[in-house]
Amino acid sequence: KNEVEQSPQNLTAQEGEFITINCSYSVGISALHWLQQHPGGGIVSLFMLSSGKKKHGRLIATINIQEKHSSLHITASHPRDSAVYICAVKSGNTPLVFGKGTRLSVIA
Amino acid sequence: DVKVTQSSRYLVKRTGEKVFLECVQDMDHENMFWYRQDPGLGLRLIYFSYDVKMKEKGDIPEGYSVSREKKERFSLILESASTNQTSMYLCASRAIYGYTFGSGTRLTVV
Repeated sequence: KNEVEQSPQNLTAQEGEFITINCSYSVGISALHWLQQHPGGGIVSLFMLSSGKKKHGRLIATINIQEKHSSLHITASHPRDSAVYICAVKSGNTPLVFGKGTRLSVIA
Repeated sequence: DVKVTQSSRYLVKRTGEKVFLECVQDMDHENMFWYRQDPGLGLRLIYFSYDVKMKEKGDIPEGYSVSREKKERFSLILESASTNQTSMYLCASRAIYGYTFGSGTRLTVV
């Protein structure tokens, strides 16, 4: 079974800072997902990627298949970005395997 | 937009009660999942279903069962609720482009 590690577990940033959240996994995958969960809320899918880089607004996700590593970047962070960010990976027909999440707090 | 609707946001039940958590999706997805989320443990898969009347155990199926009589509805059943089943329960459905999650049901068993 794939092991998914996220770092850091908790992150506090000042508004405007550039933020990076990391995700590494142990076994080759077909896709990696980045998810966002606001306090008390459901989970929203941010990105699904299998190679390269994707960008949506201030969010950028990259993946290095050879190194089994992905990063989620947030540019010009804002207090509304405060949430838990979760990395999840898919291999073949097996269900998603989730990381434990990174709790981000952005302070004004 | 795909919608995954969970019937209750908050639920309080007594130990020993039979509990039904309902999940409905509106996009004809074949794959549906039930997870529980606990602090420090992340999301853990309870059961999933790849089609009507099909079900597969996830990582923590003990104490739970599921029902998928129609494609759009996937129900999670706690046969006899216990306090260690107090948790956030999340339903999801999957399409080629990714997953859609419900808003979650926070269940407290007293």
